[in-house]
Amino acid sequence: AQSVTQLDSHVSVSEGTPVLLRCNYSSSYSPSLFWYVQHPNKGLQLLLKYTSAATLVKGINGFEAEFKKSETSFHLTKPSAHMSDAAEYFCVVSPPGQQGGKLIFGQGTELSVKP
Amino acid sequence: GAGVSQSPSNKVTEKGKDVELRCDPISGHTALYWYRQSLGQGLEFLIYFQGNSAPDKSGLPSDRFSAERTGGSVSTLTIQRTQQEDSAVYLCASSPINYEQYFGPGTRLTVT
Repeated sequence: AQSVTQLDSHVSVSEGTPVLLRCNYSSSYSPSLFWYVQHPNKGLQLLLKYTSAATLVKGINGFEAEFKKSETSFHLTKPSAHMSDAAEYFCVVSPPGQQGGKLIFGQGTELSVKP
Repeated sequence: GAGVSQSPSNKVTEKGKDVELRCDPISGHTALYWYRQSLGQGLEFLIYFQGNSAPDKSGLPSDRFSAERTGGSVSTLTIQRTQQEDSAVYLCASSPINYEQYFGPGTRLTVT
């Protein structure tokens, strides 16, 4: 079975400092991996996705993630946090062989950004 | 263009009543999904419709939950005999086949 584990339920950074949100996945095969963001009282928005092309994936708003098969990780990073980045972030896996199928969400990491 | 819309945005119901939640997907999207977001369980997949294929109902938590998709477009999620543990935000998403899912704003259901 496929699953994702987000290693931190809450991360707090200062504005202008780097962001690291950690995610490990479990999958028997090469999965599709995503990061979604959810701002308060807003819908989920796709930040980026990995689908077995380049291992370093660039997303919107300066975020990127690196797929590391040897570590079964897909950590999300941003060089410099902005106040508007404060939100909840979800690491998500889509099982292989299910084109367009269901998404399996991690438990989420709440990112706080201090001025 | 218009995104995924859901109605109502908020619903308060008494335990034991039935509720219907509606989702209008993005026009032309062949796939439609329902998820549930609750404090205790996080974000869970409920059901998935793809074109005319039989839906994937593997995430429905009980037989009190059902969903329909009429004409390949609008979908309704029905919860019968609601229980307090059904309180959650119900999210709908749609996608063109093989592409990322676009989420609606959700319906917040409160069962009193």
